[in-house]
Amino acid sequence: DVKVTQSSRYLVKRTGEKVFLECVQDMDHENMFWYRQDPGLGLRLIYFSYDVKMKEKGDIPEGYSVSREKKERFSLILESASTNQTSMYLCASSPRGTGRTGELFFGEGSRLTVL
Amino acid sequence: GQQLNQSPQSMFIQEGEDVSMNCTSSSIFNTWLWYKQEPGEGPVLLIALYKAGELTSNGRLTAQFGITRKDSFLNISASIPSDVGIYFCAGQLLGSSNTGKLIFGQGTTLQVKP
Repeated sequence: DVKVTQSSRYLVKRTGEKVFLECVQDMDHENMFWYRQDPGLGLRLIYFSYDVKMKEKGDIPEGYSVSREKKERFSLILESASTNQTSMYLCASSPRGTGRTGELFFGEGSRLTVL
Repeated sequence: GQQLNQSPQSMFIQEGEDVSMNCTSSSIFNTWLWYKQEPGEGPVLLIALYKAGELTSNGRLTAQFGITRKDSFLNISASIPSDVGIYFCAGQLLGSSNTGKLIFGQGTTLQVKP
């Protein structure tokens, strides 16, 4: 069964803390994504990566960074968490070069609360 | 950034009713996709559309890629309680074909009364 696994389902952090959200996929996909989901706003792309060590900014990258050292792993980093980063974070992956790159496989999500 | 306008925002319907939702944009897309998110889960792909005018079914679900390439709709026939969830449309611009980058609508929350 193909899978995208996010390391934490629920996290509570304090303002100013550094936060790591980890995502691993077992489908050998080249493309990986981090989205943020907020009610009424849908899914907004934070960063994506189409290859190891490659990354591109999405629509809302401010306050976030990412790391892709291995093909199967894509990490989202909040250098100094703020309350407006309280949200649901979704990781996804898709294959490259197949004509079906938009067919994303999502993880279950990580709900982050920043106090 | 680019935006998709998805409507309605929410629907509360009786079991057995048909449902219709749509997405529009001012931009032209080369792919339209529909995802469903159940409570506590990540979104799952329902239908992918790759050609303007394409009409595709998946069980009780039917989706169409608009002729203008700027819109898409999703219909659910004879709704059942397990149809409950948030439905998202997503579009892929021509230049994003290799990266898989998508633009998502705001979502339609569907509740079904047994």
